[in-house]
Amino acid sequence: SAVISQKPSRDICQRGTSLTIQCQVDSQVTMMFWYRQQPGQSLTLIATANQGSEATYESGFVIDKFPISRPNLTFSTLTVSNMSPEDSSIYLCSVSPFPGQTHYGYTFGSGTRLTVV
Amino acid sequence: AQSVTQPDIHITVSEGASLELRCNYSYGATPYLFWYVQSPGQGLQLLLKYFSGDTLVQGIKGFEAEFKRSQSSFNLRKPSVHWSDAAEYFCAVGQGAQKLVFGQGTRLTINP
Repeated sequence: SAVISQKPSRDICQRGTSLTIQCQVDSQVTMMFWYRQQPGQSLTLIATANQGSEATYESGFVIDKFPISRPNLTFSTLTVSNMSPEDSSIYLCSVSPFPGQTHYGYTFGSGTRLTVV
Repeated sequence: AQSVTQPDIHITVSEGASLELRCNYSYGATPYLFWYVQSPGQGLQLLLKYFSGDTLVQGIKGFEAEFKRSQSSFNLRKPSVHWSDAAEYFCAVGQGAQKLVFGQGTRLTINP
């Protein structure tokens, strides 16, 4: 399965600033996913990032707040913009090895623990 | 809409005891079902998955899960837990072609 490197692993940021999280995969993948895990909560999908096209955002998430880049088949970034304390969460990227073949399961990065003060 | 319910937020078992974590799902078709484990400060690791065939699936670390369509359940089991099994466990269902929907998670504590 793919190996994902996610950076930074944690950060403490001032409100009103932005943080960009990087996700690097050791193999080419068609689809990359960004999840948010709020404290004590489950994972919620933010958006799906496909190479060469705009990301697809889930209900409740907007591009202005969470812009995503996907410049190639092994890399993606998620930016958390104009942060507030409510953005304090763990952000995880995930990949599926085969497009449209959910049953193979997903690999997750180790996550970025963000604290906004 | 697809959903996953893990009725137990927190479970405590003694080391060496058996374990069962419950998962119920709501899905309109044959689901793809997964169990993930998240240790403190770590990402998610896939324990096992079901998408067809034998309804009893074996996973890593001695875990197994049984798919019961009649009960819309996919419970995770382990005959004897180890202290290192203490973690958060998430059940998830494949939604459509790509997305995963996660349950709320069950935090497992192991008593020595």
